[in-house]
Amino acid sequence: DIQMTQSPSSLSAFVGDRVTITCRASQGISNYLAWYQQKPGKVPKLLIYDASTLQSGVPSRFSGSGSGTDFTLTITSLQPEDVATYYCQKYNSALFTFGPGTKVDIK
Amino acid sequence: QPQLQESGPGLVKPSETLSLTCTVSGGSISRSSYYWGWIRQPPGQGLEWIGTTYYDGSTYSKPSLKSRVTIFVDTSRNQLSLKLSSVTAADTAVYYCARHRLFDWLLLWGQGTLVTVSS
Repeated sequence: DIQMTQSPSSLSAFVGDRVTITCRASQGISNYLAWYQQKPGKVPKLLIYDASTLQSGVPSRFSGSGSGTDFTLTITSLQPEDVATYYCQKYNSALFTFGPGTKVDIK
Repeated sequence: QPQLQESGPGLVKPSETLSLTCTVSGGSISRSSYYWGWIRQPPGQGLEWIGTTYYDGSTYSKPSLKSRVTIFVDTSRNQLSLKLSSVTAADTAVYYCARHRLFDWLLLWGQGTLVTVSS
């Protein structure tokens, strides 16, 4: 099984800060990676797919990059409404796996 | 835009079988190229993919759950079903159904339903 890890597990930043979350796959997955945002009590929302393609309607301050085993999600200017947990998910095969999540808070 | 709605008992006893359905409205569950999956999230924890099925009966499940999981589609009712046998407290979670294409992301999710395993 391919394992997904994320770092950090949590972070706290100021409004306007640049925030970077890392996701790593235990084996290469090309660009078959998605990022989701989940606010407390809500359904996960797709932010980015194919590692770097922004889902329609998602603010442009979110961006994704990477290929193979190492991926990043960047929020260029953190906003209060970005407080959430962020998950990566690989889909290079029929067996999906999520990362453990990164909780983002405002200082 | 299709909608997904999970339903089933909110409380299941240990060692019993958890049974959930996901009703698809606004679209056919047998529409080609779409797969239907289950994801769960224990309280305060992360997302866990359980398994996926296609209307032709092909199914993929998380290896560690495979022996306990049955996922299938009822095309006559336009429903997706999940059965998880021999449940324990560790199976307490919000269960989501979702739609995707093979080798694709999860774009369409249900609202989720909480299942508690307790005597």
